[in-house]
Formats: sequence, structure tokens, C-alpha cells
Amino acid sequence: DQQVKQNSPSLSVQEGRISILNCDYTNSMFDYFLWYKKYPAEGPTFLISISSIKDKNEDGRFTVFLNKSAKHLSLHIVPSQPGDSAVYFCAASGGSGTYKYIFGTGTRLKVLA
Amino acid sequence: DTEVTQTPKHLVMGMTNKKSLKCEQHMGHRAMYWYKQKAKKPPELMFVYSYEKLSINESVPSRFSPECPNSSLLNLHLHALQPEDSALYLCASSQAQGLAGVETGELFFGEGSRLTVL
Repeated sequence: DQQVKQNSPSLSVQEGRISILNCDYTNSMFDYFLWYKKYPAEGPTFLISISSIKDKNEDGRFTVFLNKSAKHLSLHIVPSQPGDSAVYFCAASGGSGTYKYIFGTGTRLKVLA
Repeated sequence: DTEVTQTPKHLVMGMTNKKSLKCEQHMGHRAMYWYKQKAKKPPELMFVYSYEKLSINESVPSRFSPECPNSSLLNLHLHALQPEDSALYLCASSQAQGLAGVETGELFFGEGSRLTVL
């Protein structure tokens, strides 16, 4: 049972436009969410996180939105750059005291120059 | 220093071999993790150490044996592996959880060790 899902395996976006990556979760106990970027043959790199007490967190070109009622989060990248081309994973955690981070299946983003 | 260092980067071993993967961090993190990732799949949690004690074992077969000699080091001992164990093994670290004033923190990953079992 996949508790964290990214239903779009791939996404192509023109350079300079907005990239929107989506993530859905099923476990209402999750209260901390993270986004990671991964290049081939490298470990995931942390991008941005959001706690369930917020509905938006922004860091430079990256913004994460959380809709708790829909159990949905999204990552917006504006403007998209060719260097953003990578696989993006969302991850969820069940709160303080738990070390279980569950990863989504990933979305491959391709930013076209 | 925000780095998690894993060695070796690549390892090829036979099913009767004994080998180890090593991980090191110097960020003062007291939680360390082993994840396994197969191609086109998300990272899957294997083990978590908190304050050098094993706190999570996700029903991993005993042919994988973790060890945390101190707060900076994490090893994964491998013995009698199967070809299906071939994967990218990722080490990660984070702040300890559940401390007053410490929100759940992000994982910092190493670059991984690519394991091939023949």
C-alpha cells in the first residue's frame, strides 16, 4: 500500500515557465512533508519542507503548498531552469518522535531550453 | 559541513562474500538511516539508529546487519546476499526526533553505494 503517491511519472516544462509537481498521501497522521531532488547516481538533495501547521512555505524559486483536507501537496518551481531537470520525490513523516519518512514514487521533470 | 559521506561508491560482490558499506557524518546528527533504492522506485527505509541505538528495523533480512559504532559512523554489513539485493544503498542523517524545540528535521543523504550482487 503506497501511502505517498506521485501520480505523474514525468513532466516536461519550457524554461522560464512554472513547474508544478503534485503529491498525495493517505495517512492523516503525517504532519511533516519534504521535497527532494535526485540526479542519476546521486543521493537525494533536500529542497524544501512544510509542517502541517502551515499551508505554504517559500524558499527562493521553490514554493510548497499543503492542502490537509485533500491530503495533497504540491511543489511549484518558478521560473524553471534546465538545471532543475531531475527526479523529484515528496516524502512524509508522522510527527515528532518518529523517524519513518515515507517517499513517493517520484516525478521526472524535464525543463526544455 | 553538511555532508554525508558513503564508501565505497560502487561494490560488486558474490553471493558468498562478506562486505561492508560505510557512512560518516559530522553534522552532530544523532539519527542515522539506511535506505535501499532500486531503479525507478522510491527510497525504502531499512534501518534507523537514534543515539547509536537501533530504533527501527523494517523487517530487513538478517543478511543485512547494521552497526553504529559511534554518533558519526554507520555501517551496513553484507553477507550471503542475493542478486535481487542489487540496488543503490543510501545513508542519511537527521537531527534527533522528539527533542523539545526540535521540529522534525530533514534528512541529509549521502551519494549512495551502488551494490551489484553476482
